[in-house]
Amino acid sequence: DAGVIQSPRHEVTEMGQEVTLRCKPISGHNSLFWYRQTMMRGLELLIYFNNNVPIDDSGMPEDRFSAKMPNASFSTLKIQPSEPRDSAVYFCASSHGLGGLGDSPLHFGNGTRLTVT
Amino acid sequence: RKEVEQDPGPFNVPEGATVAFNCTYSNSASQSFFWYRQDCRKEPKLLMSVYSSGNEDGRFTAQLNRASQYISLLIRDSKLSDSATYLCVVKGFQKLVFGTGTRLLVSP
Repeated sequence: DAGVIQSPRHEVTEMGQEVTLRCKPISGHNSLFWYRQTMMRGLELLIYFNNNVPIDDSGMPEDRFSAKMPNASFSTLKIQPSEPRDSAVYFCASSHGLGGLGDSPLHFGNGTRLTVT
Repeated sequence: RKEVEQDPGPFNVPEGATVAFNCTYSNSASQSFFWYRQDCRKEPKLLMSVYSSGNEDGRFTAQLNRASQYISLLIRDSKLSDSATYLCVVKGFQKLVFGTGTRLLVSP
């Protein structure tokens, strides 16, 4: 059974460039989450979708970040323009429900390691 | 104050030792609690849920203290393969909040 699939695994880009991260959730999961992980701040929730609808985007740092989920099997996180402080590992996760007791746990993808120079 | 706080460690222990981690949370309305494990350069994975009465899964025991707003994880008979970062996770109203993790290093 395929897990959450993210692409690319690594992305190196120059400041000012647009970056698009992609995610395919596990089939049948109705919630999708984008997290960012850094040494200093740990795992931060950026945005999550339930049934393809954005529910909470309060973690999105600023207008340079945007996320879409056009259908149940695909989501993108876009950074435009990118800055060096955006360098981090970006994880996509999916679950049935919100990952609480009674829901399925969060299943994370392998992550995209983003470096902005 | 952070919503979920953990001692970053690292905790260095020899094989066979017992080690415990604590985690505190600030939102008294938090509904459910978990421990996730993250290996170096890998994604987090659910280790175990934490139930109000405490629960055990093999060598791992999780406890919840709602009055003091902390959860704990006890690992008995540590194995080399237990070396990882352990993330405390708290579910608030509608989302999971992750702690920054406690790093465990088990040595031969």
